[in-house]
Amino acid sequence: GEDVEQSLFLSVREGDSSVINCTYTDSSSTYLYWYKQEPGAGLQLLTYIFSNMDMKQDQRLTVLLNKKDKHLSLRIADTQTGDSAIYFCAEIVKTSYDKVIFGPGTSLSVIP
Amino acid sequence: DARVTQTPRHKVTEMGQEVTMRCQPILGHNTVFWYRQTMMQGLELLAYFRNRAPLDDSGMPKDRFSAEMPDATLATLKIQPSEPRDSAVYFCASGLASGGPSDTQYFGPGTRLTVL
Repeated sequence: GEDVEQSLFLSVREGDSSVINCTYTDSSSTYLYWYKQEPGAGLQLLTYIFSNMDMKQDQRLTVLLNKKDKHLSLRIADTQTGDSAIYFCAEIVKTSYDKVIFGPGTSLSVIP
Repeated sequence: DARVTQTPRHKVTEMGQEVTMRCQPILGHNTVFWYRQTMMQGLELLAYFRNRAPLDDSGMPKDRFSAEMPDATLATLKIQPSEPRDSAVYFCASGLASGGPSDTQYFGPGTRLTVL
């Protein structure tokens, strides 16, 4: 199937690290994405990782990719209240075109 | 600051009425996506256009929904007749199809539709 799975909710205290996990299905995905959706807004690309990488760091964000287990994670260091949002994992699936499949989203709540 | 724009931002209508949602993709982008987001179903792809041609509308209920791109600067999604179960937030996104990170989709702010 084309299911991308994520846990639906995560709650952390301000200043702690958040880790959002995702499992995907297509081992041939060339890119994997993390999108962020703030309340009342559309999705916004947060970061992406190329499939031949196992880690990518971008300021407070660290993406880890385990291709063998088809597992992707997003770590947010020093989580702030402004990080409260829904985070979507997405993979590319080869159909008649490169179709992006989004996960259900993980709602991150940051407790002050 | 290039953005995808969508109109209207909010729409309340009665069951049976026609609803038209509009999207202006980012200038120069050649792909347009329509998504529907609900609490129960999450984000569902309704339609995908590349160079104004519909490539995937498998997620769209054909009996009442239709999507078009009259020109490169306008995409429309119509529901006729609307039903209460169509209540959702409808997102338009645009991008460039090149097989790389630039396949990033840029989302509009969404149209929140309520059908009474």
